[in-house]
Amino acid sequence: DAEITQSPRHKITETGRQVTLACHQTWNHNNMFWYRQDLGHGLRLIHYSYGVQDTNKGEVSDGYSVSRSNTEDLPLTLESAASSQTSVYFCASSESISGSSTDTQYFGPGTRLTVL
Amino acid sequence: AQSVTQPDIHITVSEGASLELRCNYSYGATPYLFWYVQSPGQGLQLLLKYFSGDTLVQGIKGFEAEFKRSQSSFNLRKPSVHWSDAAEYFCAVGAVVGYSTLTFGKGTMLLVSP
Repeated sequence: DAEITQSPRHKITETGRQVTLACHQTWNHNNMFWYRQDLGHGLRLIHYSYGVQDTNKGEVSDGYSVSRSNTEDLPLTLESAASSQTSVYFCASSESISGSSTDTQYFGPGTRLTVL
Repeated sequence: AQSVTQPDIHITVSEGASLELRCNYSYGATPYLFWYVQSPGQGLQLLLKYFSGDTLVQGIKGFEAEFKRSQSSFNLRKPSVHWSDAAEYFCAVGAVVGYSTLTFGKGTMLLVSP
């Protein structure tokens, strides 16, 4: 079955370290998204991509970067981890060429990141 | 910019009772609206979505939602709640054609009492 996976599921790191969270989907979806979920804030969009070589900043992109070298993967990198980036990170994907919001976003299981 | 408000942080409902979760949105045109559910430790699952047409939308697991333009609302309802419905529920609004991003509300945690 097609799916979207995230790894690792849990990660503890230290302030200042570079961290990369993986997201892999097998639906061949064009669109991929990264969100962070924090208590009292719901989900907030970090970065998104409409296709290979395309990346866009979301609402809370500072301190994060993404790259899209193929359809299946959108890794999220924290260049220098900060305690404020302790959160649960969700990856999602949707199928669309036109970039319409009518497309359902399918979410991965999440990665819990702790920055000490 | 679009925004979503879910006024209730927590709601407790008795098993078998009816449920209504509130969602208000702010958007300049007709929005695309979604309800997602998140069980503990899980990702989000789509319950239902509204794009156009009939303002009463049916979803999975016996949920429905009604779009009311005059009230800028998209409330989620279920006639009889089951203990397995205990979860966090998120309302989201999507921009019209040209974008694929969603703006989420802060969520409502549903607790189901016996």
